[in-house]
Amino acid sequence: GAGVSQSPSNKVTEKGKDVELRCDPISGHTALYWYRQSLGQGLEFLIYFQGNSAPDKSGLPSDRFSAERTGGSVSTLTIQRTQQEDSAVYLCATGTANTNSPLHFGNGTRLTVT
Amino acid sequence: AQSVTQLDSHVSVSEGTPVLLRCNYSSSYSPSLFWYVQHPNKGLQLLLKYTSAATLVKGINGFEAEFKKSETSFHLTKPSAHMSDAAEYFCVVSEPRSARQLTFGSGTQLTVLP
Repeated sequence: GAGVSQSPSNKVTEKGKDVELRCDPISGHTALYWYRQSLGQGLEFLIYFQGNSAPDKSGLPSDRFSAERTGGSVSTLTIQRTQQEDSAVYLCATGTANTNSPLHFGNGTRLTVT
Repeated sequence: AQSVTQLDSHVSVSEGTPVLLRCNYSSSYSPSLFWYVQHPNKGLQLLLKYTSAATLVKGINGFEAEFKKSETSFHLTKPSAHMSDAAEYFCVVSEPRSARQLTFGSGTQLTVLP
C-alpha cells in the first residue's frame, strides 16, 4: 500500500522567500508529526497533530514556522522568510492513535536556503 | 519526563562481526521502546518495538533488542553485520501519558568495514 508521501523531495530557495512542504499521510492515520533533521543531528520535534484535537506546536522554533492539517489528512508545513539556518531535511511521520504502534516516515524534503 | 540516551554517536564494525548499539532511557511510566533505521536520503524505518510483552524483541534483518528494566536499557544487537546494515540508528521512547508521545535519541551512525 501507499506510504507517507512528502513533496517536494528537494527544495532550493533564496533567503527571505517563503516555502511550503507537503505531507500526504497513510489513509486512516490520525497522528501526524513534523520533524527537522539537520546535518549530523538527531530529529527535532516541530509539531504534532492528533485527529481533531488542537495541535501541539511546542516544537516550532519561531513564528516563521507554521503548519496546518486540512480535513485530518494532508498537512502543509510553511516556513516564512527563510533563513540559512532553516536548511535541513524535514520529515513527516504518521501513525494511529495507539501509542504502542510505530510511526511511518516519509522520505523527507531536503530544504536548502541559499 | 522521558528521555533517551544513545551512548555512541558512531560505531564501526567489520563485516561478519557482532553489532551492539547502546540505548538507555528514562521514563516515569511503563514506556514503549522502538529502534528505527535510516539509510541515506531515506525516511526512518521501524526495526523493532517493545510494548511490555516479551523482553527480548526480534526485528527485521536479524536485529534484536532486550528490554532491561533494572538497567533502563534497550540495546540493539545483531550477531553478524552485513554491509547493507551501514546506516543511522535511532532509539525512541514513547509514554502513553505524554501528549507528544515520542522522544528520539540523537542517533548512532553504524559503519561496516569490508
